Amino acid sequence: AQSVTQLDSQVPVFEEAPVELRCNYSSSVSVYLFWYVQYPNQGLQLLLKYLSGSTLVESINGFEAEFNKSQTSFHLRKPSVHISDTAEYFCAVCYQGGSEKLVFGKGTKLTVNP
Amino acid sequence: DVKVTQSSRYLVKRTGEKVFLECVQDMDHENMFWYRQDPGLGLRLIYFSYDVKMKEKGDIPEGYSVSREKKERFSLILESASTNQTSMYLCASSPSGGPYEQYFGPGTRLTVT
Repeated sequence: AQSVTQLDSQVPVFEEAPVELRCNYSSSVSVYLFWYVQYPNQGLQLLLKYLSGSTLVESINGFEAEFNKSQTSFHLRKPSVHISDTAEYFCAVCYQGGSEKLVFGKGTKLTVNP
Repeated sequence: DVKVTQSSRYLVKRTGEKVFLECVQDMDHENMFWYRQDPGLGLRLIYFSYDVKMKEKGDIPEGYSVSREKKERFSLILESASTNQTSMYLCASSPSGGPYEQYFGPGTRLTVT
C-alpha cells in the first residue's frame, strides 16, 4: 500500500533557528508532492507543491522543499523560523496514474519557542 | 477568493443520533473529499466524490455515508453516531484533471457523548 512517513511527530525549535521537517513516501512510480500547514483551529492550507521541473520549490513565507527521487523524500526546510510558524505540517503525495486522491502523512507539530 | 465552508465548527451529538455534516464549495470543483483528523493519525479519507451522484469509498468508510446531489455540496452522514466517531472532520475540494491542490474547509469538531 502507498504510504507517506513523516519521521518526527513533534519538532521544538528556538526562534531564528533553522528547521527541517522530514517526509518520505513509498513508491517507485512518479509522484506529485505537497506540503500543507494547519494553524491552530483552522483547516489545512497549501504551503508548496512539486509537480514537475525544478526539484527545489519555495513558498512565499521562506519555506522550501526539495524532491529527491532516489531517496523518495520531500523534506521541508526553513533557514530561520518565527514564532508565527508554530503549526502542524502535513506532507501529501498524489501517485501518477492513480486517482486524484492524496495520501497524507501523520503530521509534524512544529513549535517555535522564544 | 476560493472558499470551502462547513455547516458547523462545533457539534455535540448523542450516541445513536443521525448526524449530517454539510460542505459547500464555490469554485465549481468536480472533486470533493471528506476526511477525519485524529491526533497522531493525520488525515484519513472517508469518502471521495468525483462528480454529482458519484462517490468512492476512502480508507475508513465504515459507519459513514455521503450524498452529492449538487456539484457544490457534499454531505457526510453518520447513520448512528458512536463515541468512536468523535473527531475533527475536514472537507476539501479540487478541480478534476489534476493533480491539483485540494482546498480545505475550516473543519467541524464533532463530539459524540
